[in-house]
Amino acid sequence: AQKVTQAQTEISVVEKEDVTLDCVYETRDTTYYLFWYKQPPSGELVFLIRRNSFDEQNEISGRYSWNFQKSTSSFNFTITASQVVDSAVYFCALSESGRRALTFGSGTRLQVQP
Amino acid sequence: KAGVTQTPRYLIKTRGQQVTLSCSPISGHRSVSWYQQTPGQGLQFLFEYFSETQRNKGNFPGRFSGRQFSNSRSEMNVSTLELGDSALYLCASSSGVVQETQYFGPGTRLLVL
Repeated sequence: AQKVTQAQTEISVVEKEDVTLDCVYETRDTTYYLFWYKQPPSGELVFLIRRNSFDEQNEISGRYSWNFQKSTSSFNFTITASQVVDSAVYFCALSESGRRALTFGSGTRLQVQP
Repeated sequence: KAGVTQTPRYLIKTRGQQVTLSCSPISGHRSVSWYQQTPGQGLQFLFEYFSETQRNKGNFPGRFSGRQFSNSRSEMNVSTLELGDSALYLCASSSGVVQETQYFGPGTRLLVL
């Protein structure tokens, strides 16, 4: 069965610091998809990125970057120069080939202090 | 395009009652999935509908059910409510192609007293 682990329950940083959110996954499938979502206090899950298992290229989008390493089954998320607006709960999720159901990690609450 | 909409946003019910939640997907999306979020269990998949058919189901009791209409709108129903059903219920829509990104609505927060 698939599993997603986000070991960091809560992280607190000061504005402009860089922060990395860890995500480790388990799956027996060779084809799978990984996602990151952001959940602000309003509750809605906001999509950030989607990655398939055959694409190990790292990705950068503005202050956000993602490091996908199949060798360690990790899909880590880095925010550079954090801002107060980045404060939210961040979820890593996995879906296996042929199934739409997302398996979520327990989430990491990020607090960015001014 | 308008995003995923869910109604109502908040609900208070008592034990033993039943409740129906509604979800309207993004225009053109044919798949709707439902998730339950609680502090103890986190985010858990309930079920997914595509073209009015349930395609996947999570590990929830039969009290949880759903359906999808021809316009892709979906409803989920919880019968004989229990205190543990208090949660944020999130609906997600996608195009219907497997592994396409799911886009979430704002959720319905249900409190069972």
